[in-house]
Amino acid sequence: GENVEQHPSTLSVQEGDSAVIKCTYSDSASNYFPWYKQELGKRPQLIIDIRSNVGEKKDQRIAVTLNKTAKHFSLHITETQPEDSAVYFCAASTTGNQFYFGTGTSLTVIP
Amino acid sequence: DSGVTQTPKHLITATGQRVTLRCSPRSGDLSVYWYQQSLDQGLQFLIQYYNGEERAKGNILERFSAQQFPDLHSELNLSSLELGDSALYFCASSVVDGDYEQYFGPGTRLTVT
Repeated sequence: GENVEQHPSTLSVQEGDSAVIKCTYSDSASNYFPWYKQELGKRPQLIIDIRSNVGEKKDQRIAVTLNKTAKHFSLHITETQPEDSAVYFCAASTTGNQFYFGTGTSLTVIP
Repeated sequence: DSGVTQTPKHLITATGQRVTLRCSPRSGDLSVYWYQQSLDQGLQFLIQYYNGEERAKGNILERFSAQQFPDLHSELNLSSLELGDSALYFCASSVVDGDYEQYFGPGTRLTVT
């Protein structure tokens, strides 16, 4: 089955700086890569996703890049704000298959 | 609000007991997923149902079982509970299975004493 690895496990940045979280996957058949943000005690919420036919996608301060050849994808958050502090999970899936989640990155934005 | 509902929100029970967690997917979603999240841990996939049929199984213990009913709601049954089963249990739904957005419910916090 698929194996998703996520790094780093914790990340601290100063407010206004950028944050980058990286994930790798093993199954070349994976074609959908969502990112979820989870605040303490709350449900994971989808913040951005990308499909395998696209290399990059942006939504305001958030962007995701995908390198199919290297089997890795990354989340980029620019101009970080204290409210960006949360745990971020990446995931990979294929049509007709389950989602495989990374182990999470705890992001702290220091005011 | 994702449109996915879960009941109850909190559940406190004793070791050895049995509980049932309930999930109603978003209107129109056919697929339901169950996840377990222990304290400071990631999301552990338990099981997936699609239109009433079991689709995929993850790290689900034999003491746990689930089903999806004709109206598409799903129940997760946990029996012979142990202290280590204390966790947040999330249900998620999607239109179909695989490469479509999953929407998570608010979760059920289970505490086993």
